[in-house]
Amino acid sequence: GAVVSQHPSRVICKSGTSVKIECRSLDFQATTMFWYRQFPKQSLMLMATSNEGSKATYEQGVEKDKFLINHASLTLSTLTVTSAHPEDSSFYICSARETGDYQPQHFGDGTRLSIL
Amino acid sequence: EDKVVQSPLSLVVHEGDTVTLNCSYEVTNFRSLLWYKQEKKAPTFLFMLTSSGIEKKSGRLSSILDKKELFSILNITATQTGDSAVYLCAVEASTDKLIFGTGTRLQVFP
Repeated sequence: GAVVSQHPSRVICKSGTSVKIECRSLDFQATTMFWYRQFPKQSLMLMATSNEGSKATYEQGVEKDKFLINHASLTLSTLTVTSAHPEDSSFYICSARETGDYQPQHFGDGTRLSIL
Repeated sequence: EDKVVQSPLSLVVHEGDTVTLNCSYEVTNFRSLLWYKQEKKAPTFLFMLTSSGIEKKSGRLSSILDKKELFSILNITATQTGDSAVYLCAVEASTDKLIFGTGTRLQVFP
């Protein structure tokens, strides 16, 4: 089945650090990948849609300069949280979908980010 | 505004019980409805439903969609402790976005 790998699974760092999270589709090509954020006991909130070879589309209220997304190939998208602060601490999850109609999104295992 | 509502918010049952999870939606340009299971990490895909009235089945899990009444149900028969998880319903619009419900937390006790 479709496998999405997300790395790292856990990051703990000081305030002001920039953190990069990678999302890879291992056995399929993904023209589109998605980045979500999940707070405790809440559902997933879409942050941005990442399109291979073009700029990401950000949801309302998400700072594009804060959350930099790069989708350099059909199997890799990265999310960089720049100058992270404690309020950026959260569970970040990526997903990818195979090209074609009616393909489900498959999720990575998520990255738990803790900013001290 | 697009929204997906799941009920109940939480459910506690004993092993062997059958449960029904509900998902209703109001989404512009509906394309499909998906069910996911989330344990400690990220959601794992269960079903994708696009047509009304056609049941999808996988082992003890099954799901059906009603596009006229705008809802879906997920049934789990003969529940096991390993079924304990948060079950997420999401609707995909033509924009490719998934709109998630808040989830139903299922706890199955031996």
